[in-house]
Amino acid sequence: DIQLTQSPSFLSASVGDRVTITCRASQGISSYLAWYQQKPGEAPKLLIYAASTLQSGVPSRFSGSGSGTEFTLTISSLQPEDFATYYCQQLNSYPLFGGGTKVEIK
Amino acid sequence: EVQLLESGGGLVQPGGSLRLSCGASGFTFSSYAMSWVRQAPGKGLEWVSTISGSGGSTYYADSVKGRFTISRDNSKNTLYLQMTSLRAEDTAIYYCAKLLYNSGSLRSPYDYWGQGTLVTVSS
Repeated sequence: DIQLTQSPSFLSASVGDRVTITCRASQGISSYLAWYQQKPGEAPKLLIYAASTLQSGVPSRFSGSGSGTEFTLTISSLQPEDFATYYCQQLNSYPLFGGGTKVEIK
Repeated sequence: EVQLLESGGGLVQPGGSLRLSCGASGFTFSSYAMSWVRQAPGKGLEWVSTISGSGGSTYYADSVKGRFTISRDNSKNTLYLQMTSLRAEDTAIYYCAKLLYNSGSLRSPYDYWGQGTLVTVSS
């Protein structure tokens, strides 16, 4: 079975910071990876799919990269509304989510 | 505007059953596979099940296989999750979600989610 490992599980950052979150798969998943943002009390929101395709309506400060086993989500300049938990999801086989990365205000 | 609205959650005893519903609007329901995803309190996301647009293909996580049944009524634009033999570890918010692609493949992210319905399994 494929395992997904997100890192870090928690990070503290300031408005304006560049933030990078990593998602590693235990075996190659091509580009079948998506990223979601979830705020407390809300449903997840799709940000990135196919590893690097920005979902419609998502600000361009969000970007995704990678293929195979290592992927990154980058927020180029953190905004107040970006403080949330982020999840990766692999779709190469049965869907599987990573453990999440909580981004909090420093 | 795409809307997904779950209902049917509540408190149920261990070993009991519950049926969740998800009403859909704003898109051609029968053209898209749909999924259920759950989130235990304070925990991460867990995929539960997916059903093809026609309803002819279904997929389940090992943790619910044999206990949960996903189905859909395309004439009513409604998705269902029948849950039986419920356990404490099934306690979670259950979200229905629409797959982005209408290809019928499991290899699609979820572009729309409902607000979720809470299922609590406790005596």
